[in-house]
This record gives sequence, C-alpha cells and structure tokens, in this order.
Amino acid sequence: EIALTQSPGTLSLSPGERASLSCRASQIVSATYLAWYQQKPGQPPRLLIYGASTRATGIPDRFSGSGSGTDFTLTISRLEPEDFAVYYCQQYDSSPFFGGGTKVELK
Amino acid sequence: QVLLVQSGAEVKKPGSSLKVSCQASGGSFTFFAFNWVRQAPGQGLEWMGRIVPSLSSTIYAQAFHGRLTITADDSTNTVYMELSSLTFEDTAVYYCARYTTTSYAFDSWGQGTLVTVSS
Repeated sequence: EIALTQSPGTLSLSPGERASLSCRASQIVSATYLAWYQQKPGQPPRLLIYGASTRATGIPDRFSGSGSGTDFTLTISRLEPEDFAVYYCQQYDSSPFFGGGTKVELK
Repeated sequence: QVLLVQSGAEVKKPGSSLKVSCQASGGSFTFFAFNWVRQAPGQGLEWMGRIVPSLSSTIYAQAFHGRLTITADDSTNTVYMELSSLTFEDTAVYYCARYTTTSYAFDSWGQGTLVTVSS
C-alpha cells in the first residue's frame, strides 16, 4: 500500500493569497494516478485535479497541480472566499489511498 | 459524469449489519468501477473497496476483509455496500464514487449516507 502524507495540516491564509499544499508518497507514484479533491462541510469531495496536473471539468485556472515521483503539490494562485475548504490528495497506483487532508482556513 | 443517489441515513445497533445503496443515472454503469469511501466524524477519507459491474469483480481494503461485501444490480444500475459486525467505530458518512479510466480518479460522488452505530 502506498501511503500519502499531506502537509501542512492546516493553512491559515487571507483571500488573495497563494496556497501551496504538499502531498508526499511513501513510494514512487505514477503521476497518472495522482488526484486532488476539495471538500466543503456537509458535501462530498469534488475532483479538482487528476493526472497530477490536469484540471477537472469546470475547475478554475487558479488551481494547478504539479509534481512527480513521491512529491506532489496543489497550488491555489489567489484564494477566493469559496476556496476555504479541506483538500485531499489520492493515489490509485495500487490500492487506492487518500492523504490525511490539508485544511485551508481563513486567517 | 453520472448522478449517484444514495439511500438515506440509518441508525444501527452494534453487531448488526448495514446495507447502503447507490443508484447511477445519466451515464454508463457497467464499464466503470464504483467505489465506497467512508469518513468518520471530523476525520479524513478512507477507501473501502470497489466493484466493476461488467466483470462482477471486487477488491476490498484489507481493513474490511471478511465483513464488507459490494454487489451490483445491472437491471437497476445500483451498487450496494454491505458491512457486517458493526461497531461504534463504523459511525461515519459513507460515499459511493465512480472511478473512470478517463481521469484515473473519482469523477462523480454520491451525496453520502450517514450511518450511526448506537446502542
């Protein structure tokens, strides 16, 4: 099983600021199988990024993903009020696994 | 994408079994993998298992081996998740999610089913 560790656990930022979220894998993960999700309270997760860097349908271009091997990053270039949420990375290279999540909260 | 509609909230006794349904509409059913993911209160996401209806093929996370069964009914485009020997630790929101090889990710999610295990 390939485990994913996300950092930081919580990111306190203001609207307009840049957010950088890290996802580190315990073994090499093919970028093809690395995805990012956004979850707001009381809602199911929503697919943001797949293939490590491809935005899902309808996702604004302020969201971007990058990385390879064991290190992946989700960047939100300028935070909008609706972006404050919890973000999860996920790998489907082997048995699917989610990272523990990063909460982006209002500073 | 596809619309996934899950069955309603349930309260269960410890030691009992749970069965949650997930009906797909608006998209193909048989050639995708349908997964179950749960989220305990205030916690992260935990993958439980998946089924590919066209192959009747299932894979379960090791943590649930022996007490998780995922089935599918092609005639109603419905996937079922059955979890037995419930404990208080099974209290969670249970989600179904469709996996597609277009994105190799979960592109559609059900609304979630809250299951409370209480004596």
